[in-house]
Amino acid sequence: AQTVTQSQPEMSVQEAETVTLSCTYDTSESDYYLFWYKQPPSRQMILVIRQEAYKQQNATENRFSVNFQKAAKSFSLKISDSQLGDAAMYFCAYRSTYTQGGSEKLVFGKGTKLTVNP
Amino acid sequence: DTGVSQDPRHKITKRGQNVTFRCDPISEHNRLYWYRQTLGQGPEFLTYFQNEAQLEKSRLLSDRFSAERPKGSFSTLEIQRTEQGDSAMYLCASSLKGTVLSYEQYFGPGTRLTVT
Repeated sequence: AQTVTQSQPEMSVQEAETVTLSCTYDTSESDYYLFWYKQPPSRQMILVIRQEAYKQQNATENRFSVNFQKAAKSFSLKISDSQLGDAAMYFCAYRSTYTQGGSEKLVFGKGTKLTVNP
Repeated sequence: DTGVSQDPRHKITKRGQNVTFRCDPISEHNRLYWYRQTLGQGPEFLTYFQNEAQLEKSRLLSDRFSAERPKGSFSTLEIQRTEQGDSAMYLCASSLKGTVLSYEQYFGPGTRLTVT
């Protein structure tokens, strides 16, 4: 079974600064998806960024980028130019691909609470 | 596109009572997922449907839990004989299989259950 570990329960960053959230995972599969989801207080979870394991290039979405290290099974999220609206719980998640015949469920880590200080 | 909706948003019940939650996915989405999130934890998978067929159930889904998706539209999650350990946020998500974006699950706001 796949597992996802987020070792930082809480992180804080100054507005306009950069912060990196860590995630490691364990799997025996060779192809899969990795995601970062954001869950603002009392609001629904939204997808921030995704990475396909077969792609060597790290995904970027505006101020959000990932550092995907497949051999190390590491998937960190970097938030540049942090804004007050970035404050939220961030969850790292894993999903098998169809080609693996695996489950479509998302396997989540425990989350990292990000505080942005003005 | 009104997003995934869930009803009720909050439910307080006494131990031993039955509760039912409803999820309305994004209208054209054929896959629907249920997750449970307890305080300080990430969401845990419970079950998912493709259209009306329930394709996978987690071992977390005890005999007291049942989910349905009649006609492949909305879904209900029922918990019978609730226990205090059932207190959690129940999240619903949907996705559209067969498109380039089928990996993305769109989440609803959740139903927070408190069992007293």
